[in-house]
Amino acid sequence: ELKVEQNPLFLSMQEGKNYTIYCNYSTTSDRLYWYRQDPGKSLESLFVLLSNGAVKQEGRLMASLDTKARLSTLHITAAVHDLSATYFCAVDRGSNYKLTFGKGTLLTVNP
Amino acid sequence: EPEVTQTPSHQVTQMGQEVILRCVPISNHLYFYWYRQILGQKVEFLVSFYNNEISEKSEIFDDQFSVERPDGSNFTLKIRSTKLEDSAMYFCASNGPGQGMNEQFFGPGTRLTVL
Repeated sequence: ELKVEQNPLFLSMQEGKNYTIYCNYSTTSDRLYWYRQDPGKSLESLFVLLSNGAVKQEGRLMASLDTKARLSTLHITAAVHDLSATYFCAVDRGSNYKLTFGKGTLLTVNP
Repeated sequence: EPEVTQTPSHQVTQMGQEVILRCVPISNHLYFYWYRQILGQKVEFLVSFYNNEISEKSEIFDDQFSVERPDGSNFTLKIRSTKLEDSAMYFCASNGPGQGMNEQFFGPGTRLTVL
């Protein structure tokens, strides 16, 4: 059974600081996704990572994938309040592309 | 930009009643999904649908649940006899081209409250 673990589950940080969220998964997967969810809202796709060593950046967020270690990271640079949200990683495996999610990281950026 | 839509946004029902949640996936996508998220918890897979039939379902998706694609656009989730523990946010998703590869796009969700 595929398991996805994120840490930390809660992250409170100050504006301007850097931090990294980690996502480990238990078995080989085909794709790794990062989503953002604002309270009461849907899941907004941030990144799709396919291959080992893949790195993608959008604004203050950068995601990377190490398939050998079964680890993805989401790095936040110089955090701003607008980044406050819950961030989920998810992996898919097999022909159905169904997603298995981590528990999410609730990020709070304080002024 | 194409998007997945869902109706209603919020559904309140009495325990034991039937509910139907509706979704319109992105038109050129072939795989469709239902996920649920109990308040404050992670998103859980319920069922996937491909080529007009269920391709995979989770343990959560028991006999009380069913899915249909009654026409070329709608994709529905029916819960026959709702229980209190069915209260959750239900997300529809479809899988298709995005960011240069297949990607899963989520609808805005239906918040189901069972009283």
